[in-house]
Amino acid sequence: KAGVTQTPRYLIKTRGQQVTLSCSPISGHRSVSWYQQTPGQGLQFLFEYFSETQRNKGNFPGRFSGRQFSNSRSEMNVSTLELGDSALYLCASSLKVGAGTEAFFGQGTRLTVV
Amino acid sequence: DQQVKQNSPSLSVQEGRISILNCDYTNSMFDYFLWYKKYPAEGPTFLISISSIKDKNEDGRFTVFLNKSAKHLSLHIVPSQPGDSAVYFCAATYQGAQKLVFGQGTRLTINP
Repeated sequence: KAGVTQTPRYLIKTRGQQVTLSCSPISGHRSVSWYQQTPGQGLQFLFEYFSETQRNKGNFPGRFSGRQFSNSRSEMNVSTLELGDSALYLCASSLKVGAGTEAFFGQGTRLTVV
Repeated sequence: DQQVKQNSPSLSVQEGRISILNCDYTNSMFDYFLWYKKYPAEGPTFLISISSIKDKNEDGRFTVFLNKSAKHLSLHIVPSQPGDSAVYFCAATYQGAQKLVFGQGTRLTINP
């Protein structure tokens, strides 16, 4: 059974540009959430989607957005990139929502903003 | 305001001995706790979890203990193996949300 797939694995962008990251969840999983990992802030929650609806959003500026498609695949977009957006972006999928549901992570997309 | 704290940035343990990783939380609404293991340049790997209605959960070499009154949980690894060397993250959530709140992580090194 394939795991969570994130593309691309590595990305270099220039300040001011925008970027779109993609996540394909484990087959049958309907919940997708996104996290940002930086050395200073650790792992921080960005947003969570279930059945194409955003259920929760973390404390990030509006430049960070996401969506989920009918096949549960998800994308996140960051506009007007800043140097501080350089991070490992992780996607996690869960079979369902509710207590006791473990999240399984992809390998992440390493974004470098120069 | 850090709701989940792992106060030890690093821990070094001899192979074969017990590794104990600690985690404290402040939000009494948390009702589900998870431990993840992470290697560099990879996503976190789920290890073990515990619901707030339990005080212990065991899976092979891994046992998680939860002390709700102290808002403290710990992960025990027995016996420790070299492949256990990684960064371990404690995470918490509530009300069935997939919004995980992570601690800062503890780097575990198992020495031969």
